[in-house]
Amino acid sequence: EPEVTQTPSHQVTQMGQEVILRCVPISNHLYFYWYRQILGQKVEFLVSFYNNEISEKSEIFDDQFSVERPDGSNFTLKIRSTKLEDSAMYFCASSAPLNNEQFFGPGTRLTVL
Amino acid sequence: QQQVKQSPQSLIVQKGGISIINCAYENTAFDYFPWYQQFPGKGPALLIAIRPDVSEKKEGRFTISFNKSAKQFSLHIMDSQPGDSATYFCAARNAGNNRKLIWGLGTSLAVNP
Repeated sequence: EPEVTQTPSHQVTQMGQEVILRCVPISNHLYFYWYRQILGQKVEFLVSFYNNEISEKSEIFDDQFSVERPDGSNFTLKIRSTKLEDSAMYFCASSAPLNNEQFFGPGTRLTVL
Repeated sequence: QQQVKQSPQSLIVQKGGISIINCAYENTAFDYFPWYQQFPGKGPALLIAIRPDVSEKKEGRFTISFNKSAKQFSLHIMDSQPGDSATYFCAARNAGNNRKLIWGLGTSLAVNP
């Protein structure tokens, strides 16, 4: 069964450093998303991406964040200068055209020290 | 208006009992209401979803009841099993092209053997 994969599973970084979180969405999906979940809290929408551009972003997704689909398979989230409050679980999701269901990856736990 | 309110925060049910989780929303533009199940260390997985043109949807032991006039929907887990112990999130999506999901705070369900 096709699935969304994410790497790394856990990333530890120093405050102020750049991190890139990687995702491989399901191959025939065209809509891509990043969400985050701070420990013990709800899942929060960050950004949606379609047709090689951002279709919507939340207030959390400020200019420190960027997304890219550098090739036909990967979808990345970059945080340019990490802050302590960026520590969270980051989930990538994808969905197919004409299908409501969003499929989630296992997440990357980001720890900013 | 973009919030989805979920209750209870935690729930303990005996094996074989019925688990009921409730959600309420304000935005009448929401057109899709999924429930996600999340096990520790995993990404959310779609459990069951409903659109506002139906009042109930059943899949196996899981049922969504939807009350459009009250702007409420609930998840019922019949014959709850220890394997159902997980965190459950309700969510809602705006009609339109952005497809982002607005999430409830989650309910931690424990089913005692």
